[in-house]
Amino acid sequence: GENVEQHPSTLSVQEGDSAVIKCTYSDSASNYFPWYKQELGKRPQLIIDIRSNVGEKKDQRIAVTLNKTAKHFSLHITETQPEDSAVYFCAGGGTSYGKLTFGQGTILTVHP
Amino acid sequence: DTGVSQDPRHKITKRGQNVTFRCDPISEHNRLYWYRQTLGQGPEFLTYFQNEAQLEKSRLLSDRFSAERPKGSFSTLEIQRTEQGDSAMYLCASSEPGQNTGELFFGEGSRLTVL
Repeated sequence: GENVEQHPSTLSVQEGDSAVIKCTYSDSASNYFPWYKQELGKRPQLIIDIRSNVGEKKDQRIAVTLNKTAKHFSLHITETQPEDSAVYFCAGGGTSYGKLTFGQGTILTVHP
Repeated sequence: DTGVSQDPRHKITKRGQNVTFRCDPISEHNRLYWYRQTLGQGPEFLTYFQNEAQLEKSRLLSDRFSAERPKGSFSTLEIQRTEQGDSAMYLCASSEPGQNTGELFFGEGSRLTVL
């Protein structure tokens, strides 16, 4: 089955800096890679996703890149704000009914 | 609120008791998932329904766990003879019909504490 590794486990940045979170996956058949944000005590919510037929996708301050050959994908957040502070999860899947395998999560703290 | 709703939000029980969680997905979503999340970890897949059919179960789902979606709408997850290791957040999610994997809409979760 799929295995998704995520790092770093914690990331601390100053407001306005960029943040990068990286994930690797094991199943070359995986074709869908979403990123979820989970604030303390809240539900995970999708912030951006990418499919295997593209290498990069942007949405305002957030971008995701995918390297299928190396089997890794990354989340980039620019001009970070305190409200970006949360736990971020990457996931891989798409081969089986939409079942996703999640990474272990990254606690992002943005200091004002 | 037309999002995914779960009930109860919190459940404290003694070891050996049975518990049942309910999930009401977004009405037009025919796909429903149960995930389990422990502290400091990402959600782990438990099971998947398409309409009323349970199409996949994780090996994490022991014989003490059973899930149903009898009419293809709401779903229940029952844990029999609970153990302390069952303590976790149980997340339900739903997604739109279609061939491609898409966004999972999660509920707020049901937090289980087994004493």
